[in-house]
Amino acid sequence: SQQGEEDPQALSIQEGENATMNCSYKTSINNLQWYRQNSGRGLVHLILIRSNEREKHSGRLRVTLDTSKKSSSLLITASRAADTASYFCATAQTDSWGKLQFGAGTQVVVTP
Amino acid sequence: SQTIHQWPATLVQPVGSPLSLECTVEGTSNPNLYWYRQAAGRGLQLLFYSVGIGQISSEVPQNLSASRPQDRQFILSSKKLLLSDSGFYLCAWSVESVYFGPGTRLTVL
Repeated sequence: SQQGEEDPQALSIQEGENATMNCSYKTSINNLQWYRQNSGRGLVHLILIRSNEREKHSGRLRVTLDTSKKSSSLLITASRAADTASYFCATAQTDSWGKLQFGAGTQVVVTP
Repeated sequence: SQTIHQWPATLVQPVGSPLSLECTVEGTSNPNLYWYRQAAGRGLQLLFYSVGIGQISSEVPQNLSASRPQDRQFILSSKKLLLSDSGFYLCAWSVESVYFGPGTRLTVL
């Protein structure tokens, strides 16, 4: 079954704009991880946020986690054409480190 | 630093043929290893995971099997492929974060 649900399914923006995508999940988690996947390629790990954390930053990426709402968001600031990709959230439940449950992803297109 | 290798990158196989996909990890000892599959336009589904040599857990019933003959080697196999086995197969390892290999795109015809 699918644990994470990303929203929106697709997002089209212009270079320089910010892109925000959300992820909701159903059960308690140990951590939540965000990944990027370029077409036909493997997954690139972006950020891991633990259940006791509320916000993390990495370069132009900002991730928030609200465990009371069982939701997370990924913000990409000042987007670039190279940010065009599919973005997935994945949750790891307690004592299940690498057994991730993925959502269907958000497809982001950044237009120059 | 750790790296993860998968091969082959692409594979086209007829229905009923056997399968062997290999994954190796460098730069770490006793990693947890995983096989995931991604169907077209979908998220990933965990197929197998291993916490040590010879220790394999299956997450979903299927036509596939996995083996871990060495600490940093993980193999995905099938005796007879089905059309439904087509997909993008990714090997991964984890400490806390999960890191994926480049994947193998399998097409069963």
